[in-house]
Amino acid sequence: GAGVSQSPSNKVTEKGKDVELRCDPISGHTALYWYRQSLGQGLEFLIYFQGNSAPDKSGLPSDRFSAERTGGSVSTLTIQRTQQEDSAVYLCASSLLGVNTEAFFGQGTRLTVV
Amino acid sequence: QKEVEQDPGPLSVPEGAIVSLNCTYSNSAFQYFMWYRQYSRKGPELLMYTYSSGNKEDGRFTAQVDKSSKYISLFIRDSQPSDSATYLCAMSRNAGNNRKLIWGLGTSLAVNP
Repeated sequence: GAGVSQSPSNKVTEKGKDVELRCDPISGHTALYWYRQSLGQGLEFLIYFQGNSAPDKSGLPSDRFSAERTGGSVSTLTIQRTQQEDSAVYLCASSLLGVNTEAFFGQGTRLTVV
Repeated sequence: QKEVEQDPGPLSVPEGAIVSLNCTYSNSAFQYFMWYRQYSRKGPELLMYTYSSGNKEDGRFTAQVDKSSKYISLFIRDSQPSDSATYLCAMSRNAGNNRKLIWGLGTSLAVNP
């Protein structure tokens, strides 16, 4: 595709429900990142996938958050038992590997937990 | 205190004005400095990338880094309504490590025709 694609664009869910957010990276990009952008907070790194290596999960805020990347392409971020503080924009980015490689961002999924 | 401080604005200027956007930081180990532009309901896009101190120019945009003062700036000359967006600074200790970027909160800019 032309760019990083995320779906859905907006998601409203009830507290306690599980949600799945999808990211389709740029074709050929082996690195994939998930970030969270909240009001009053800068972008917060969540998880990183690179090729077949074990993902870097160091940014996940709790064990309610998980992500997978199938076939080195599409990624899904899952939030279980959503809480109101999970309300944020979830951004996915992809890049080539190497030094000084630019990360290209999708438009984000705006999650609202009510 | 946050590692990176950025005035959220909003900043409103007339078309054609020179815009100055700034970030301060506390970690002297930061060596790589970036400016991103984020339009409403879109993801950030990289505008400028600078290593260490000095200036870098790209068209109407100039990035400056003053490591002695722990201060970075983005100047926009001849600002246009299409420059209306939120500008985010980001920085890191190591090159090319998008996981370790520390981000400012962003400054909202409106350029009025």
